[in-house]
Amino acid sequence: AQRVTQPEKLLSVFKGAPVELKCNYSYSGSPELFWYVQYSRQRLQLLLRHISRESIKGFTADLNKGETSFHLKKPFAQEEDSAMYYCALTSGTYKYIFGTGTRLKVLA
Amino acid sequence: EAQVTQNPRYLITVTGKKLTVTCSQNMNHEYMSWYRQDPGLGLRQIYYSMNVEVTDKGDVPEGYKVSRKEKRNFPLILESPSPNQTSLYFCASSGIQGSSYNSPLHFGNGTRLTVT
Repeated sequence: AQRVTQPEKLLSVFKGAPVELKCNYSYSGSPELFWYVQYSRQRLQLLLRHISRESIKGFTADLNKGETSFHLKKPFAQEEDSAMYYCALTSGTYKYIFGTGTRLKVLA
Repeated sequence: EAQVTQNPRYLITVTGKKLTVTCSQNMNHEYMSWYRQDPGLGLRQIYYSMNVEVTDKGDVPEGYKVSRKEKRNFPLILESPSPNQTSLYFCASSGIQGSSYNSPLHFGNGTRLTVT
């Protein structure tokens, strides 16, 4: 079955510390992976997608097919990064599968 | 401005009283979908639509209906709401790239529904 797992419900780090939000998936084909972010009182929005290989707001994510992971990383966390982060998978069909989300708190 | 608009933002109702949450997008997107967001469960897909008059069930369709009579609108209908449908609901849309639906989703602001 297709599944996206985000093992951490809450991740607290200090400002300036590195951040890694974990995402593992199970899918037998070639999925497309996304990270969506939801800042306080704002709508969900796309942060980045694996095919773009971009760095958005200092975040990067590399698709590791061997480990079936798509972890989100940032070398130096900022207070404005505090938000809810969702990893999502789609296989080119009509379904998006979301993880349960990780709340990132960046402490001053 | 390109956006997905949901109404209302907040809704409190009683068990069994039919309600509709509207969703409209101005990006000419073919794909639209509804999700509910619950603590500890993340976002779960309720229904989706690939185009006008084409809809299908997501992972949690029980108790919900949808319609897609126009490309821009995708209302969510609760014929007889129950307390377990108290949740935060999101509508989303995306375009089609080639023959796949891998385009990123554009989300509405959400509708917080409370059923007493």
